Amino acid sequence: KAGVTQTPRYLIKTRGQQVTLSCSPISGHRSVSWYQQTPGQGLQFLFEYFSETQRNKGNFPGRFSGRQFSNSRSEMNVSTLELGDSALYLCASSLLGQQNTEAFFGQGTRLTVV
Amino acid sequence: KQEVTQIPAALSVPEGENLVLNCSFTDSAIYNLQWFRQDPGKGLTSLLLIQSSQREQTSGRLNASLDKSSGRSTLYIAASQPGDSATYLCAVTVGGYQKVTFGTGTKLQVIP
Repeated sequence: KAGVTQTPRYLIKTRGQQVTLSCSPISGHRSVSWYQQTPGQGLQFLFEYFSETQRNKGNFPGRFSGRQFSNSRSEMNVSTLELGDSALYLCASSLLGQQNTEAFFGQGTRLTVV
Repeated sequence: KQEVTQIPAALSVPEGENLVLNCSFTDSAIYNLQWFRQDPGKGLTSLLLIQSSQREQTSGRLNASLDKSSGRSTLYIAASQPGDSATYLCAVTVGGYQKVTFGTGTKLQVIP
C-alpha cells in the first residue's frame, strides 16, 4: 500500500514568486490536511480538505490557498512568497479526517525562499 | 484556544532505559490524541492514536495513555534503543472542527 506522496521534495523560489505543492494521499483516503513546520513556530495547521471541500482553515493569510481534486489529490498554492514562508510543508492523509481516523504524513516539501 | 505542551523539550538517556514523554493540553474537549515521531528533515510517522473514549493504546515497546480530565497524555517507551532517537510529537484534534494542534515536541537521544 503506497504512502502519502508529496512533490516536489525540495524547492527554491525567489521572493514575490508563487509556488504550488502537490500531495497524493493514500488510496481510499478522502481527507488531506496541510501543515507548515518551522523551527520557531513548530507545526501549524493550514487547512483540511475532504471530498473536494475545504472543511477548515488555520490562521494563515489569504496568500495560502489549496484545493482538492476528485481523486483526492490536493495542491497547495502560496502566492507572493515572503522570506518567512521558508518551511517544511507537510500533508497528512486520513480516511475520514483526523477527528475520527489516524493520520499519515508525507515526507514533506522543503521550500526555501531567497 | 487549544495549547499543547510537551515536557521535557529534550531528553538524553542510555540505551536500555525505560522512559516517559509527557504531553499536556488545555482544552479537554478533544476527539483524539495521536503520537508521532519525526526524524530530522523528514515527515511524521504515526505511532499511536488514542480516541477520547480510550485510556491507553499499546504497540510493541510503546504505550500511550490518555487522561482527558487532567489534560494529559504520556508516551512510555520500554527498553529504549538508539533507533528510537527522534523528535516525538503529540497532536490533539478538537471535536467538530478538524483542527489539529501539535505539541512543541520532545527531542530524544538514546546513547549506545
